[in-house]
Amino acid sequence: QVQLVQSESELKKPGASVKISCKASGYIFRNYAINWMRQAPGQGLEWMGWINTRNGNPAYAQGFTGRFVFSLDSAVSTAYLEINSLKADDTAVYYCARDILTAVFDIWGQGTMATVSS
Amino acid sequence: QSALTQPASVSGSPGQSITFSCTGTSRDIGGYNRVSWYQQHPGKAPKLMIYDVSNRPSGVSDRFSGSKSGNTASLTISGLQAEDEADYYCSSYTGSSTVFGGGTKLTVL
Repeated sequence: QVQLVQSESELKKPGASVKISCKASGYIFRNYAINWMRQAPGQGLEWMGWINTRNGNPAYAQGFTGRFVFSLDSAVSTAYLEINSLKADDTAVYYCARDILTAVFDIWGQGTMATVSS
Repeated sequence: QSALTQPASVSGSPGQSITFSCTGTSRDIGGYNRVSWYQQHPGKAPKLMIYDVSNRPSGVSDRFSGSKSGNTASLTISGLQAEDEADYYCSSYTGSSTVFGGGTKLTVL
């Protein structure tokens, strides 16, 4: 079936980096963009941006430029979110989601909890 | 881009109808019909319930309906059921990005 499967939870120290994967299956990967969302503990959803799965071009929302990097490995139908120079307030669940239409997210990954703590 | 405005919580009894509001501006909800609603149960990923203001994806109950007037979108759940207890988020396209509401917690009494 159509699904996105994300990597497992991560525990990192401040200043480190983390790379979260999002593997697609059950559909043609290049046909739908992948978006990334963040949900801090007890908070709402924030849209981080998206990556074009046809050409690999990323676009980042305000507040998610510089330390955040979207990438692809189309050979294995996988999108990645890398966060560099981690801070405590990066602690959150990160979701990938497919957009069936621009800004409409029909399939979501199960979420990856990233905890930043010394 | 500021988040869309949703009430923090609403409650209702089984069988009732309940309506959630989501207020934006002319730069998001008022300017585009690309408004969606997501249901999120605790510890789970969000689920798409409504898109393009009033369209239901396949498999979503027809108890869920959406509408829009001006800068405010609404989600109505009719025949409230215990399983509907969850957080509900609205979102809108802004022309270059997507913005979410802060979410509304639905309690089924």
